[in-house]
Amino acid sequence: DSGVTQTPKHLITATGQRVTLRCSPRSGDLSVYWYQQSLDQGLQFLIQYYNGEERAKGNILERFSAQQFPDLHSELNLSSLELGDSALYFCASSASGNTYEQYFGPGTRLTVT
Amino acid sequence: GENVEQHPSTLSVQEGDSAVIKCTYSDSASNYFPWYKQELGKGPQLIIDIRSNVGEKKDQRIAVTLNKTAKHFSLHITETQPEDSAVYFCAAQNRVRDDKIIFGKGTRLHILP
Repeated sequence: DSGVTQTPKHLITATGQRVTLRCSPRSGDLSVYWYQQSLDQGLQFLIQYYNGEERAKGNILERFSAQQFPDLHSELNLSSLELGDSALYFCASSASGNTYEQYFGPGTRLTVT
Repeated sequence: GENVEQHPSTLSVQEGDSAVIKCTYSDSASNYFPWYKQELGKGPQLIIDIRSNVGEKKDQRIAVTLNKTAKHFSLHITETQPEDSAVYFCAAQNRVRDDKIIFGKGTRLHILP
């Protein structure tokens, strides 16, 4: 158990809809990262937040957005969903300073029908 | 953009034998190289990492080597056991630039009885 929690575990929704995925980082970790894992693209970095502020951005679509709240939990919002958005979405967290390691949560499996 | 190539995509080894997974990276400024193990239905788990100022690191049955000149790094698992069966991802990170991790596409390792 990495200490990172994600909800929900599974999500099934229709095209055009909007969903919110939630992540709670390990106690004390200030950074949260979101990744998308699909069969053809592997693990892709989406976005990072550090202590409430956006820190780095990867290949995140404009239909996707994220935020990190004062209690450090984070939400990833996916809107106007398409079939191709079906994937596993992982959240990871890391401490600040000289700590490099990222710890991954169990993921949310999103199925768009 | 940055890229990490990983080979092979599938690897089958007899229990007790060694397994080697190789990766190359494109960003010569990368300075942190973690390896993750992902079991079915779980998030990636950090198993070992190496920083660019070190050429080799060992932790019990697993070891990583780094050749900065060639931009190659490898994972070695000795005395393989059934519980080593999983998907392994190499990754590279340029910590000077940001905390974004670039992942390889993964290697599915099968340990044969």
